[in-house]
Amino acid sequence: KQEVTQIPAALSVPEGENLVLNCSFTDSAIYNLQWFRQDPGKGLTSLLLIQSSQREQTSGRLNASLDKSSGRSTLYIAASQPGDSATYLCAGARFGNEKLTFGTGTRLTIIP
Amino acid sequence: DVKVTQSSRYLVKRTGEKVFLECVQDMDHENMFWYRQDPGLGLRLIYFSYDVKMKEKGDIPEGYSVSREKKERFSLILESASTNQTSMYLCASSPGQGPDTQYFGPGTRLTVL
Repeated sequence: KQEVTQIPAALSVPEGENLVLNCSFTDSAIYNLQWFRQDPGKGLTSLLLIQSSQREQTSGRLNASLDKSSGRSTLYIAASQPGDSATYLCAGARFGNEKLTFGTGTRLTIIP
Repeated sequence: DVKVTQSSRYLVKRTGEKVFLECVQDMDHENMFWYRQDPGLGLRLIYFSYDVKMKEKGDIPEGYSVSREKKERFSLILESASTNQTSMYLCASSPGQGPDTQYFGPGTRLTVL
């Protein structure tokens, strides 16, 4: 059974700094790895999806990487802004399975 | 843009009541999902549906049932609400044909007294 872990549970960073969020998964037979953002009391918004055949995806100031051999994914945020403050969740999907397994998230606070 | 809507943002019910949570998506997606989210436990899948009238249990189906009579609508039913079902409930949809990006609704915060 796939298990997804995100450490740390919370992170505070001064505005303008670059930062990395970590995601670990136990099952290397992963089909894709997705990163979501969740604002307090709201639903999830998809940020990036990396297929198993890819190593990274970029969208604006965000870059996500996937290393299946080590069971790790990272989300890199460049030049952080207060509006980036949110909880970030990663989720993995297996081949032939529509279900996602979610991590418990990292709550990010950008300090102005 | 894909839009997933949920019938209520906040709901307060009493123990033993039958509760209906409704979810509607407007993008003709095949798959629809119901999750609950609790502090420290993350998102856990309750049920999902990959077609009209089709459903499959997720990780925590006990105490819940679902209905999908039309493609765009997926309902979560708490047959007899209990206090341990107090939670944030999130609905999602995805296009189908394997794992794909899921699009989430805004969530329903359910409190059972």
